[in-house]
Amino acid sequence: GEDVEQSLFLSVREGDSSVINCTYTDSSSTYLYWYKQEPGAGLQLLTYIFSNMDMKQDQRLTVLLNKKDKHLSLRIADTQTGDSAIYFCAESINNAGNMLTFGGGTRLMVKP
Amino acid sequence: DVKVTQSSRYLVKRTGEKVFLECVQDMDHENMFWYRQDPGLGLRLIYFSYDVKMKEKGDIPEGYSVSREKKERFSLILESASTNQTSMYLCASSSGGGPRDSPLHFGNGTRLTVT
Repeated sequence: GEDVEQSLFLSVREGDSSVINCTYTDSSSTYLYWYKQEPGAGLQLLTYIFSNMDMKQDQRLTVLLNKKDKHLSLRIADTQTGDSAIYFCAESINNAGNMLTFGGGTRLMVKP
Repeated sequence: DVKVTQSSRYLVKRTGEKVFLECVQDMDHENMFWYRQDPGLGLRLIYFSYDVKMKEKGDIPEGYSVSREKKERFSLILESASTNQTSMYLCASSSGGGPRDSPLHFGNGTRLTVT
């Protein structure tokens, strides 16, 4: 099975908060990432968190890491229609943090 | 801004054809990667390269090979294309540092259909 798991789909109304969840299995992961893929485009790094942190905030984005449960979440405050995309969770499998294992992606649909 | 360019957005090839997917990056990155993306499976690493003429197998290398003759160019080769290689192929690059200095930068992808 996959090492990184995400739910496939999430639908929210514009202005609400979105929470995208991810579980991973490798307890030695050094970094965990969130990437965003808009239609027809490649993946864009949104944010990442080092494994010894439990929270990181960057404007509308909040990343929470529960290392004990191997659970990562991405919260998007005040979700906008432009946030509609596929969001990928990824864990690094090397110390440099550039060899990644990706989850299957969560498609976020934002309804006006 | 880092630019990773994949030469084709869409390709249609026949079973048994030899297929070349090209990727060029303009930031002098050491590391280059080829992934394939399939619905519900996320991105799976096919091959990667840490330097010119160096290559390493990823998670699903079977049926693929790669070439890195120049630092900026990383080619993915399907020696004899099969229908199960129909997929979206994504190229990425990064420098040798950790994510603070060097996240993965992705191209826009090549959607390959093998008929």
